[in-house]
Amino acid sequence: RKEVEQDPGPFNVPEGATVAFNCTYSNSASQSFFWYRQDCRKEPKLLMSVYSSGNEDGRFTAQLNRASQYISLLIRDSKLSDSATYLCVVRGGSYIPTFGRGTSLIVHP
Amino acid sequence: ETGVTQTPRHLVMGMTNKKSLKCEQHLGHNAMYWYKQSAKKPLELMFVYSLEERVENNSVPSRFSPECPNSSHLFLHLHTLQPEDSALYLCASSQAWDRRFVGYTFGSGTRLTVV
Repeated sequence: RKEVEQDPGPFNVPEGATVAFNCTYSNSASQSFFWYRQDCRKEPKLLMSVYSSGNEDGRFTAQLNRASQYISLLIRDSKLSDSATYLCVVRGGSYIPTFGRGTSLIVHP
Repeated sequence: ETGVTQTPRHLVMGMTNKKSLKCEQHLGHNAMYWYKQSAKKPLELMFVYSLEERVENNSVPSRFSPECPNSSHLFLHLHTLQPEDSALYLCASSQAWDRRFVGYTFGSGTRLTVV
């Protein structure tokens, strides 16, 4: 099993839709979790950290399920500008971060 | 300038050339990183420096040689590269490397092509 796995997609959704991505991780000792967004031919940018109790930032909600070892990202009311690749990052006790391959989202009119 | 700045943005080099990538951060961060991003692969951590000391070398071939002269600057010296080394090389910084880590700020990257 890969350390961090994401469905590469693409997820093709209409504007206004709600879409959710999951990211599974294999190391049960993982301690910190993040979602990054990467636009085509650009650098990744931090979207949000993922807290144990779940957290929300506007249309974006991140959740952590330690029992099943996955994190999720929910995007409500999708905009065209949300089209990007969403990378999940997991850090364990050694502080070495592991990136997923990313999930591609395409929001169409 | 603000954020993390990388130069050059694009680089084409022959297998016998020597070149260097430069990264500068203006955020007052204490840790800096080199990452490699190849097509269809996840980002691969190459090197980590915390307060100018290397804390992680992720089994990177010796043809890649990092240098961190101070906490704001990071270099990646390249020599006798192979075509498979062609990739996007990203520099990043963070406030801390340890449990206080709260996320990276990435530079725009150097797109390297080895011919």
